[in-house]
Amino acid sequence: DAGVTQSPTHLIKTRGQQVTLRCSPISGHKSVSWYQQVLGQGPQFIFQYYEKEERGRGNFPDRFSARQFPNYSSELNVNALLLGDSALYLCASSLAGGQAYEQYFGPGTRLTVT
Amino acid sequence: AQSVTQLDSQVPVFEEAPVELRCNYSSSVSVYLFWYVQYPNQGLQLLLKYLSGSTLVKGINGFEAEFNKSQTSFHLRKPSVHISDTAEYFCAVSGNGNEKLTFGTGTRLTIIP
Repeated sequence: DAGVTQSPTHLIKTRGQQVTLRCSPISGHKSVSWYQQVLGQGPQFIFQYYEKEERGRGNFPDRFSARQFPNYSSELNVNALLLGDSALYLCASSLAGGQAYEQYFGPGTRLTVT
Repeated sequence: AQSVTQLDSQVPVFEEAPVELRCNYSSSVSVYLFWYVQYPNQGLQLLLKYLSGSTLVKGINGFEAEFNKSQTSFHLRKPSVHISDTAEYFCAVSGNGNEKLTFGTGTRLTIIP
């Protein structure tokens, strides 16, 4: 079975631009979470979506938004990019929201803002 | 709110020697604890998890961890490491009925041949 997939793998953007990152969960998984991992640090929670509804939001500015589609795939959008947004963005999926089910992580999208 | 402390940012170990990676957490509610491994340029892979029951949990690749509630610790151990264990290891906690994972800053395990 395919694991969590993310696209693109890498991308380079300029300050002030907007970016959209995509995630496809494991088949049958209905919960998707997004994390930001800055170089040399642990991942930081951004959002969790379950059944297309936002279930959790981390301490990130409103420039960050996300949504989940009927097929449970998800997009993370970041507007007005800053240099500090350069990071590895990880998507994780799990069977259900609200409980500590095992989360499966994708390979990530490495975003570089210049 | 939960927090995780991984005191050792880097741990060098000789091949075939034992290793312990330390993790301490703080939380005002019951927690679930996890160890993840991240190989270079890859995502995170779950090594093991503690949800309830036995405080000694065994994971993949020969790793195990022990949950100690009184010391609020969840240290990761392996009796004999291999070159292939070279990676970044993250301890994480979730609780209060939600899936949000709070990660530590990671420990880089380097195996010395």
